[in-house]
Amino acid sequence: EPEVTQTPSHQVTQMGQEVILRCVPISNHLYFYWYRQILGQKVEFLVSFYNNEISEKSEIFDDQFSVERPDGSNFTLKIRSTKLEDSAMYFCASRDRNQPQHFGDGTRLSIL
Amino acid sequence: RKEVEQDPGPFNVPEGATVAFNCTYSNSASQSFFWYRQDCRKEPKLLMSVYSSGNEDGRFTAQLNRASQYISLLIRDSKLSDSATYLCVVNSNTGTASKLTFGTGTRLQVTL
Repeated sequence: EPEVTQTPSHQVTQMGQEVILRCVPISNHLYFYWYRQILGQKVEFLVSFYNNEISEKSEIFDDQFSVERPDGSNFTLKIRSTKLEDSAMYFCASRDRNQPQHFGDGTRLSIL
Repeated sequence: RKEVEQDPGPFNVPEGATVAFNCTYSNSASQSFFWYRQDCRKEPKLLMSVYSSGNEDGRFTAQLNRASQYISLLIRDSKLSDSATYLCVVNSNTGTASKLTFGTGTRLQVTL
């Protein structure tokens, strides 16, 4: 069964550094998403992406965040200057038209 | 009022028991509904979509009451492997975005 894959599985970064989280969505999917889950809290929507542009973003997705689909297969989330409160699990998801979203197994981001 | 509200549990039940989870949502314009399952420190995995007519998948039955903005999940003959957190998820279609809004989850522990 096709899967959404994410790398790395765990990223440790110093506060203030830039970090890029990578995702390879399922190949025929058209809609892409990033979510995050702070330890012990619920999964929160960050951003959706369709047709090479952001469809919607949440209040969490401020100017420090950006997304890109650079080569037709990868979908990346960049955090420009990380803060301690960015520590969380970051999940990428993708879906086909009128289908449920499927999640990758996440990247654990730890900011020191 | 929270967008998606669930009893956090935990629900501790013996193997073979029947257990029911409830969920309410606040956005009456929500269009589709799901139950996801999340194991500890893992990604959410789609358990089943929820339809107004009610739907069943093996030991799992989901119900939706749009008038009451209420969703339920029934697990019959529970197994040890059913131990997980069950996430009530609502899809708010906003143009192409189709972002998911998650409840905090209900933790289920099935014991011998």
